[in-house]
This record gives sequence, structure tokens and C-alpha cells, in this order.
Amino acid sequence: DAGVTQSPTHLIKTRGQHVTLRCSPISGHKSVSWYQQVLGQGPQFIFQYYEKEERGRGNFPDRFSARQFPNYSSELNVNALLLGDSALYLCASSSTGTSGRLSTDTQYFGPGTRLTVL
Amino acid sequence: AQKITQTQPGMFVQEKEAVTLDCTYDTSDQSYGLFWYKQPSSGEMIFLIYQGSYDEQNATEGRYSLNFQKARKSANLVISASQLGDSAMYFCAMREGTGNQFYFGTGTSLTVIP
Repeated sequence: DAGVTQSPTHLIKTRGQHVTLRCSPISGHKSVSWYQQVLGQGPQFIFQYYEKEERGRGNFPDRFSARQFPNYSSELNVNALLLGDSALYLCASSSTGTSGRLSTDTQYFGPGTRLTVL
Repeated sequence: AQKITQTQPGMFVQEKEAVTLDCTYDTSDQSYGLFWYKQPSSGEMIFLIYQGSYDEQNATEGRYSLNFQKARKSANLVISASQLGDSAMYFCAMREGTGNQFYFGTGTSLTVIP
């Protein structure tokens, strides 16, 4: 079975531009999460979507937005790019989006999109 | 306070030896899950092992085992019989029972020496 796929692999933009990153989850998974990983740090949570609804949002400005489509794929949009937005953007899919009493729901990550803002 | 703390920025291990990567966590939830991921230089995060807060036994997956000490809030990863391909960044992560996101530590860079 195919894993999580992301496109594009690499992207170079200039300050002030807009970018759209795409993610396709593992077949059968209904939840997609987005993370930003700055060089030398661990991933930071941006969004989680489940069944096309936003289920969680991290501490990121409104320039960051996302959506999930009926086929469960997702887009992450970033407006008015800043130099500090340069990072690896990771998408993760899981089968459910509910936290429940005990979350055993493992997130499986894609290869990431490396964004460079000049 | 940091949810996940990894105090070893870098570790070295001889090939075929065992190595322990440290992870401590902070949560007030009774229900939570702990995860370890491997990140090679290519960037993809590879899931290794999971431990639930209610699991009585330490998790094992092949050469990976998790030394779970609930009272100390630690979840150390043990890699047995290290291989050259184990050289990578290793991240500890937690998902709280009441939350939707994973919290990651800053990672440990493991280098396996031939």
C-alpha cells in the first residue's frame, strides 16, 4: 500500500509570496495533520483535519490555513511568506481523528516538502 | 514546561552494541500515548514503536524496545544490535488523551560507528 505522499518535494519562494502544499493520506485514513520542522528542532503542530473539519490548531499565525477534501487529501496554504517560514513541512495521516480515552492512533508521516523562502 | 524532553543532542554507538536514547515527558493526563520516530537525512519520519499509558508491559518491536517508567515519566528507547543504517535523528513524541496533536522533543542524533 502507498504511504503518505506530499508535493512538491522542494519549493523556493520569495518573501511576500503565497504557497500551497499538498498531501494525500494513506488509503483508508481520514485524518491529516500538518507539522512544521525548522532545522535542528522537532516538528511543531500546525493543524489537524478529520472528515474535512478542523480538529486542532497549533500556535501559528492566521497566514497559515488548511483544508481537507472529500477524498481526505489536504492542502496547507501559507500567505505573505516570511524568511522564518523556511522549514520542512510534514504531513501525517492517521485512521481516526478522535482522542478518546486512550489514543493509540499512530500518525504516519510523508516525506515532507522542503520550503525555502528567500 | 516542555511536554517532551530529550537531553542527548548526539549519541555514538559501536556497531552491534545496544544504545539507550532518553526521553522524559510532562502531562497531567492519565491517558496518553508515547511514540518514537526515526528521521534519516532524507527527512521522512518513520514510526518505530508505541507505548500506551495503561500498558503494563514495555513495548517491543524487533530490535526496538521502550523502557517505560511511568512514575519517573520516562520512555527511553533501546536499540539492540545497532546497525549502520540506524544512524539518524530519533524523536520522542506524546499524544495526550484529551488532545489532537503530537508533541515532539528536540531529537537525538545517533551515529553508529563501524
